Amino acid sequence: EAGVAQSPRYKIIEKRQSVAFWCNPISGHATLYWYQQILGQGPKLLIQFQNNGVVDDSQLPKDRFSAERLKGVDSTLKIQPAKLEDSAVYLCASTLGLVTYEQYFGPGTRLTVT
Amino acid sequence: GQNIDQPTEMTATEGAIVQINCTYQTSGFNGLFWYQQHAGEAPTFLSYNVLDGLEEKGRFSSFLSRSKGYSYLLLKELQMKDSASYLCAVRDPSNDYKLSFGAGTTVTVRA
Repeated sequence: EAGVAQSPRYKIIEKRQSVAFWCNPISGHATLYWYQQILGQGPKLLIQFQNNGVVDDSQLPKDRFSAERLKGVDSTLKIQPAKLEDSAVYLCASTLGLVTYEQYFGPGTRLTVT
Repeated sequence: GQNIDQPTEMTATEGAIVQINCTYQTSGFNGLFWYQQHAGEAPTFLSYNVLDGLEEKGRFSSFLSRSKGYSYLLLKELQMKDSASYLCAVRDPSNDYKLSFGAGTTVTVRA
């Protein structure tokens, strides 16, 4: 079974530029999560999708971050414009359903904003 | 809100045992998870506890006391490859079953 795929793996941009990350969850997984993990911290949930609907985006900085999962499969997370404090690893995870206990994580995208 | 605490770092010798503690204060509780995260890699699932007691899985065991808001992960017969960050996470049904993660405990195994 293929795991959660993410691209790119690494990205370096200057502040005020835009960037987009892509995630393809495990086939059949209805629930998809985007996390931000700053160095030395645990993952922080940014947004949670159930199929193509948003379950929770309370911690997403909506003035600069956006995410979509139009067909209920893969998802993109965008930052526009980026700030220095956005430097982090962005992890995508998926589960079969909303209450399924094991989340499967992708390898993450390491973003450096200079 | 959610408050999850775990030690920042621990060091142990190859072949030894290490116990990583996690305390939590959350609005609700529907399970506690331990994940292992090697440097530069994604977290991988280790264990899940929803009832009090000890769950054993090979060299790794996880314990939960809901009344005390406390869990520990026990790593036995430590190997060099166990050097990693160990994340404690709590699922809260009053918070849409989202996982709230602790900051992680970095375990260094020395020869």
